[in-house]
Amino acid sequence: SQQGEEDPQALSIQEGENATMNCSYKTSINNLQWYRQNSGRGLVHLILIRSNEREKHSGRLRVTLDTSKKSSSLLITASRAADTASYFCATARGGGADGLTFGKGTHLIIQP
Amino acid sequence: SAVISQKPSRDICQRGTSLTIQCQVDSQVTMMFWYRQQPGQSLTLIATANQGSEATYESGFVIDKFPISRPNLTFSTLTVSNMSPEDSSIYLCSAERQYFNYGYTFGSGTRLTVV
Repeated sequence: SQQGEEDPQALSIQEGENATMNCSYKTSINNLQWYRQNSGRGLVHLILIRSNEREKHSGRLRVTLDTSKKSSSLLITASRAADTASYFCATARGGGADGLTFGKGTHLIIQP
Repeated sequence: SAVISQKPSRDICQRGTSLTIQCQVDSQVTMMFWYRQQPGQSLTLIATANQGSEATYESGFVIDKFPISRPNLTFSTLTVSNMSPEDSSIYLCSAERQYFNYGYTFGSGTRLTVV
């Protein structure tokens, strides 16, 4: 079953702007991950944040996690046309490597 | 992180037939998983492929419909059996290595169309 709910479901912005996507989940988690999918192909892992972390950065990506609100956000700064893709949050149920439960995803379109 | 080769990349199959999807990982991995992504939807976990034992299936998925093999730590197959148009989806395998640094690696997916 789907655990996460992303919003917005679709987002269109101009190149150079920042894009923010949100994710909510329902159960307790060990960690939360964000993935990118281009054109219905394989997923690319972007970033993992553990349940005891509140914020994490990787290049132009910034992820926050609020376990009290069961929510996370992904910020992509200075967006580029190549960032056009679907973005999914995913949670791991167990303590460590476990099957993921994915959110519904946000389809991001970067207008040149 | 691990690299996964998944094949076929796409196929069009007749209803009632079966298709076997293969995933080869470039190094030994402990955990391998299979997911389904229905058109326009998110990913749903089908099962965990266990090396040397029967796969662990998620609710709503059964072995007779989705038999899985995992003969060693680098290879797994998923068979979609007795297909119907409702099975038209993208099927993806994934594996983990150095999980907390790299999360999961995914194959490029198999786009299945059942006619």
